[in-house]
Amino acid sequence: GQQVMQIPQYQHVQEGEDFTTYCNSSTTLSNIQWYKQRPGGHPVFLIQLVKSGEVKKQKRLTFQFGEAKKNSSLHITATQTTDVGTYFCANGDTGNQFYFGTGTSLTVIP
Amino acid sequence: EPEVTQTPSHQVTQMGQEVILRCVPISNHLYFYWYRQILGQKVEFLVSFYNNEISEKSEIFDDQFSVERPDGSNFTLKIRSTKLEDSAMYFCASRRSGPGQPQHFGDGTRLSIL
Repeated sequence: GQQVMQIPQYQHVQEGEDFTTYCNSSTTLSNIQWYKQRPGGHPVFLIQLVKSGEVKKQKRLTFQFGEAKKNSSLHITATQTTDVGTYFCANGDTGNQFYFGTGTSLTVIP
Repeated sequence: EPEVTQTPSHQVTQMGQEVILRCVPISNHLYFYWYRQILGQKVEFLVSFYNNEISEKSEIFDDQFSVERPDGSNFTLKIRSTKLEDSAMYFCASRRSGPGQPQHFGDGTRLSIL
C-alpha cells in the first residue's frame, strides 16, 4: 500500500505554544483526511482536503493541502491540554481503502 | 448521535484458536472497514466492504482473515489460527455513500493472544 510519512513522531509543547505536524507522500494523493486519536481512544475524523493548495480552518486548527497534492499539514495555534492525542493523516485512495500516516503524538505541558 | 459499536471490548485467546470480532455499523452507512492498530503504532487498513462483498483489502488481509455481514446489522471479522503477532486493537469503521464522507470508528476490540 501507499506509504504516508508524518513528522515529527512526537512533539511536546508548553500550553499556549503552536504545533504543526506534516504529512508526506511520494505519490500524488487524491485526497487527504485528518484524524485525532486521544490516548486509549479511537480515531475521530477531523477534516478532508481534496483540492490542490486547499486550506481549511476549524477554530484553532488549520489544515493545508500542498500544491502538488503530495503533502499536507495540520497547525494548531495556542495549544490547550485538550489537544493532547495522536494526529494521523490518511490517504483516501481513489478506491475504497485508506492508508494512515505514522502519526504525530502531541503532549501539551500545562 | 449514532455510533459504531464493537464487541467484545477485550478478547483473550490462546494461540491457534479462532476469534470473531463483531461490529454494528451505523444503520444508514453503506461502507464498512476493519483496521488494526498494534500498541503504539499507526492504524493499518485491513479491508473494506460494500454491497455485501469485499471492496479492497491490504497485504495484511491474507487467508487467515475473513469478513462477513451475516445479517442486516452485524459486520464481523474472523481470524483463524491466531498468532502472537495478531495481538492488537481492531477497529471497525463505517461511512455513508458519497465523496468526502467521514469514517466513524468504533471503540475497538483489544485482542490479546497468549
